[in-house]
Amino acid sequence: TQLLEQSPQFLSIQEGENLTVYCNSSSVFSSLQWYRQEPGEGPVLLVTVVTGGEVKKLKRLTFQFGDARKDSSLHITAAQPGDTGLYLCAGDKGGSYIPTFGRGTSLIVHP
Amino acid sequence: DTGVSQNPRHKITKRGQNVTFRCDPISEHNRLYWYRQTLGQGPEFLTYFQNEAQLEKSRLLSDRFSAERPKGSFSTLEIQRTEQGDSAMYLCASSLAAGRGDEAFFGQGTRLTVV
Repeated sequence: TQLLEQSPQFLSIQEGENLTVYCNSSSVFSSLQWYRQEPGEGPVLLVTVVTGGEVKKLKRLTFQFGDARKDSSLHITAAQPGDTGLYLCAGDKGGSYIPTFGRGTSLIVHP
Repeated sequence: DTGVSQNPRHKITKRGQNVTFRCDPISEHNRLYWYRQTLGQGPEFLTYFQNEAQLEKSRLLSDRFSAERPKGSFSTLEIQRTEQGDSAMYLCASSLAAGRGDEAFFGQGTRLTVV
């Protein structure tokens, strides 16, 4: 059983479309990170959310942390081919900080 | 460049051989993590260090795996008697422990192929 469930697992869209991906858990997290990973490379940190209800924006990407700090979403507006990649969420597991990852959402944006 | 550095980037080895990977974390980061990632999965935690102390090991880390972080700087991950199931991307990350919201930064990974 995954501590963090990400959905959808795969997403294939056309350039210009909007999309939302989700990261859900039954556990409460003190913080949650979103990463983007390209094939053959390590994950690159996009954002950290720490406060319930927090919304952070990074250009066309909007990240939200649930009020109860159990879930998070990532919304991309007007997707571009450069957004293609594996989007991973990670949260700490218990008291000591060990980032635990979901399986990710694989996004393909077609030109 | 002061990011996390991993070497080698790629390693092909024959089954039964030993391999060693190196990770140089971001300087002043006191936490260092090793993860393994296979196709279609997120990174799976293997072990982590705070300074030179290895504080936690996953059950995924069989006795063929050993990790060290002498002097709390770079780290090495050794796999003895490699098996085909060890083929994966091995990722290293580092963070500066600072309470809530401390963030892990990853290296580019070492891709291991066991033939």
